[in-house]
Amino acid sequence: DAGVTQSPTHLIKTRGQQVTLRCSPISGHKSVSWYQQVLGQGPQFIFQYYEKEERGRGNFPDRFSARQFPNYSSELNVNALLLGDSALYLCASSLGPHSSKTQYFGPGTRLLVL
Amino acid sequence: RKEVEQDPGPFNVPEGATVAFNCTYSNSASQSFFWYRQDCRKEPKLLMSVYSSGNEDGRFTAQLNRASQYISLLIRDSKLSDSATYLCVVNTNNNDMRFGAGTRLTVKP
Repeated sequence: DAGVTQSPTHLIKTRGQQVTLRCSPISGHKSVSWYQQVLGQGPQFIFQYYEKEERGRGNFPDRFSARQFPNYSSELNVNALLLGDSALYLCASSLGPHSSKTQYFGPGTRLLVL
Repeated sequence: RKEVEQDPGPFNVPEGATVAFNCTYSNSASQSFFWYRQDCRKEPKLLMSVYSSGNEDGRFTAQLNRASQYISLLIRDSKLSDSATYLCVVNTNNNDMRFGAGTRLTVKP
């Protein structure tokens, strides 16, 4: 079975631009979460979606938004990019929204903002 | 104070050594606890969940002390392949997984 997939793998943008990152969960998983990981730190929670509804939101500005589609894939959008948005963006899927459910991570999208 | 704090490391140990990592968390309402490992430039992967009674998986033993808000991971008979960053993860009821900054382990021949 395919694991969590993310696209693109790498991305270079300039300040002020907008970016869309995509994630496809493991087949049968209905929950998708997004994380930002900067170098030397652990992942930071951005959003969780379950059944197309937002179930959790981390401490990120409104420039960050996300959505989940009927097929449970998800997009993360970041507007007005800042240099500090440069990071690895990870998507994780799980069977359900409960905190005890194991999350499986995709390989991530490396975003560089110049 | 960070919500999840870990020994920053790095830990450099010889093959066969026993190594222990510690993690403390600040939110007493935390419900679920995990250890993930992350190899260089790779995604985190679940190593093991942590249960109140403590649990073991082969050479790995995890312990939870809710009163002290403390989690530990013990690795016995270290292998070269154990070299990675170990992330402590704590979950509250609002599905917000909080990761520690990670502890880097290098196992040397």
